[in-house]
Amino acid sequence: EAQVTQNPRYLITVTGKKLTVTCSQNMNHEYMSWYRQDPGLGLRQIYYSMNVEVTDKGDVPEGYKVSRKEKRNFPLILESPSPNQTSLYFCASSLVWSTEAFFGQGTRLTVV
Amino acid sequence: AQTVTQSQPEMSVQEAETVTLSCTYDTSENNYYLFWYKQPPSRQMILVIRQEAYKQQNATENRFSVNFQKAAKSFSLKISDSQLGDTAMYFCAFISPSGTYKYIFGTGTRLKVLA
Repeated sequence: EAQVTQNPRYLITVTGKKLTVTCSQNMNHEYMSWYRQDPGLGLRQIYYSMNVEVTDKGDVPEGYKVSRKEKRNFPLILESPSPNQTSLYFCASSLVWSTEAFFGQGTRLTVV
Repeated sequence: AQTVTQSQPEMSVQEAETVTLSCTYDTSENNYYLFWYKQPPSRQMILVIRQEAYKQQNATENRFSVNFQKAAKSFSLKISDSQLGDTAMYFCAFISPSGTYKYIFGTGTRLKVLA
């Protein structure tokens, strides 16, 4: 089944404890991206990747890191999470930048 | 900077009626793509419809259609014969290759279909 899989679905962590949210797609898509969704703000893009080893900042990259070592995987790293990073996070992939985005199930992150 | 505006935070419609959700955007680009995504209570994001800016013809997918007015930078979504399953958050989105390939979303419209 064609899908984008992100893990974990829910995560509660403490301030400053490094964490990684994984994202994997099995559709051979080139474009992948991460978003955070906050009430009243819609989705805001954190980072995106046009292809392997090519990543770039979205609108809200501060406090986040990403890597794209393989085409299928695009993990999101929070090296020192803070409470203002409490949010719902989505990973998405597209065949190329202009085509339909397929989204993962979302990760609800709470930083206390 | 490119922006996407959805001015209706919430709307409701009676089952079987028609509703239109508005979206405006700001860009100086000529080549870009517009999307409507639906997020039901399950929170799964699903594509509703996609429009290529260079195409004059409005995109249509079954009960969903858009009114794309390029000069006015408007991209509204019309849902005909509304069904209870259409209850969801709807997001308008924009992407262009203007030096970057950032996806820009609006703040969303929460639509409730009433029985």
